[in-house]
Amino acid sequence: EAQVTQNPRYLITVTGKKLTVTCSQNMNHEYMSWYRQDPGLGLRQIYYSMNVEVTDKGDVPEGYKVSRKEKRNFPLILESPSPNQTSLYFCASSPLPGQGAHGYTFGSGTRLTVV
Amino acid sequence: TQLLEQSPQFLSIQEGENLTVYCNSSSVFSSLQWYRQEPGEGPVLLVTVVTGGEVKKLKRLTFQFGDARKDSSLHITAAQPGDTGLYLCVGSRRGGADGLTFGKGTHLIIQP
Repeated sequence: EAQVTQNPRYLITVTGKKLTVTCSQNMNHEYMSWYRQDPGLGLRQIYYSMNVEVTDKGDVPEGYKVSRKEKRNFPLILESPSPNQTSLYFCASSPLPGQGAHGYTFGSGTRLTVV
Repeated sequence: TQLLEQSPQFLSIQEGENLTVYCNSSSVFSSLQWYRQEPGEGPVLLVTVVTGGEVKKLKRLTFQFGDARKDSSLHITAAQPGDTGLYLCVGSRRGGADGLTFGKGTHLIIQP
């Protein structure tokens, strides 16, 4: 089954404790991206990657890091989490964007709480 | 960042009624997608429209892309409780390297 898998689904952590949210896709998509979803603000892009070893900042990259060492994996790293990073996070993948008809496949989300 | 304005933000109607959700922008998009998101899950793609004036139907859902490719609408006929969810419109610009532009969504509740 074609899918984007995120782990964990739920995470509660303390301020300053480094964490990684994993994302893996099995569709051989070039493009992967991370979003956070907050009430009243909708989905906002954190980072995206057009291909292996190619990453770029989205709209809200502060406090986050990513890497794309393999095509299928795109982990999101919070080096020193803070309470304002409490949110619902989604990973998504697609064939290259801006090509019209391709949709995006989203993971099921990771609900992160930083206390 | 280009904006996509969705209206209404919230809509609660009775089962069997019809409704329309709108998505508007001042920018031109090469394609526009509609997603439905259920609580605790990721958005799921419903449809992609790419041609100005295009109309696509998915059972009781009708999607239209504006002639100028700046706006779109989603019409649901005879809404059912299973239609409840957050509906997102998402625009993609031709050759854009930064992915997508998201509307904030329409929260739809269909009451039995």
